[in-house]
Amino acid sequence: SQQGEEDPQALSIQEGENATMNCSYKTSINNLQWYRQNSGRGLVHLILIRSNEREKHSGRLRVTLDTSKKSSSLLITASRAADTASYFCATDESNGTASKLTFGTGTRLQVTL
Amino acid sequence: KAGVTQTPRYLIKTRGQQVTLSCSPISGHRSVSWYQQTPGQGLQFLFEYFSETQRNKGNFPGRFSGRQFSNSRSEMNVSTLELGDSALYLCASSFFPSGRSRSYEQYFGPGTRLTVT
Repeated sequence: SQQGEEDPQALSIQEGENATMNCSYKTSINNLQWYRQNSGRGLVHLILIRSNEREKHSGRLRVTLDTSKKSSSLLITASRAADTASYFCATDESNGTASKLTFGTGTRLQVTL
Repeated sequence: KAGVTQTPRYLIKTRGQQVTLSCSPISGHRSVSWYQQTPGQGLQFLFEYFSETQRNKGNFPGRFSGRQFSNSRSEMNVSTLELGDSALYLCASSFFPSGRSRSYEQYFGPGTRLTVT
């Protein structure tokens, strides 16, 4: 089963614009992570935000987390064609003795020139 | 450090056969997780191994199994293949942190594309 639902399912923007993706989840989490996947390839870790954090930045990425609403958002600023990929949120339900990520449905981002 | 490697990258099998996929984690990583990715179900957690022990298991039938060796390399096996097992199988490794931290990212391999005909 999937924990997260992502919105929108697909997003098309022009280079230089900002892209915002949202993720909602259902259960308590230790942290929430965002990953990028280029077509048919492995996932690349982008950023991790802990359950006691509200906002985190990494380069052009900004992630927010609202545990009361069980939601997170990923903002990519000044997008580039190379940002074209699928983006997944993943909730970490690890209990300290076992690792488990539950992924959302993903957002397909298309950045055009 | 070398990344997570998976072999083979592509595989075509027939229904009823079995298959073994291999994963070599990043050096020093002791936790290895497996995921199945399909267009219909998305990314689904299969299982996680740490120090040769399965610590967590997803909701998959017993046809899906795995193991981890003393060098942290891991294999997963699918027996009696079904058409629905066609998927991208992803392996991920992570460094098990010391202390009380529960937060750690996973590093993914390129995946094995399995096609069952």
